Amino acid sequence: QVQLQESGPGLVKPSETLSLSCAVSGNSISSAYYWGWIRQPPGKGLEWIGSISQSGSTYYNPSLKSRVTISADTSKNQFSLKLSSVTAADTAVYYCASGEVVVVIHWGQGTLVTVSS
Amino acid sequence: QLVLTQSPSASASLGASVKLTCTLSSGHSDYAIAWHQQQPEKGPRYLMKLNSDGSHSKGDGIPDRFSGSSSGAERYLTISSLQSEDEADYYCQTWGTGTLWVFGGGTKLTVL
Repeated sequence: QVQLQESGPGLVKPSETLSLSCAVSGNSISSAYYWGWIRQPPGKGLEWIGSISQSGSTYYNPSLKSRVTISADTSKNQFSLKLSSVTAADTAVYYCASGEVVVVIHWGQGTLVTVSS
Repeated sequence: QLVLTQSPSASASLGASVKLTCTLSSGHSDYAIAWHQQQPEKGPRYLMKLNSDGSHSKGDGIPDRFSGSSSGAERYLTISSLQSEDEADYYCQTWGTGTLWVFGGGTKLTVL
């Protein structure tokens, strides 16, 4: 069973870069599945940020593409999110997730990131 | 552009059944989707993958009370014998060309 655990700062200053990592257990990130990040602003719905495939191809939400980088570290079996030039609108619970092309199957527990000075 | 449309809210009585709807935008009626449940103050949980022919495969530990069906561009999640813990937000999700994962706006289910 795939398990995902997010880690990273819970507070980021405006205009800085948000950085999160997702540790994966129960499967190798280079063997199967797509690995991605999804966020949920307080009181709102789910928004897909971007994903990386087992072969290293990346896919980004067009609305965030200019600010997002997703990368994978196969030696640590983890993948990471960088979101640059953050504003208060980027305050959200950030989830890492995995699944097939069509569907998300596994979810991390989520981590709240607040953008504030 | 693919869009998933869900009613913002639904309600049903304890012990009754409820059917939630997710509508795929024009030209995407053959797409499979997933249903996810998010209980209050918790992260989402995968419920099932639902194909256009109504066949579905559920996630580990998902009760038999949860089932899926399809008709044209509509995908349904039926919850029978409603329990208090079924009060949650339910999201449908699929994939889009040029992006990857796409989510509906979610339906807030209230169990009366």
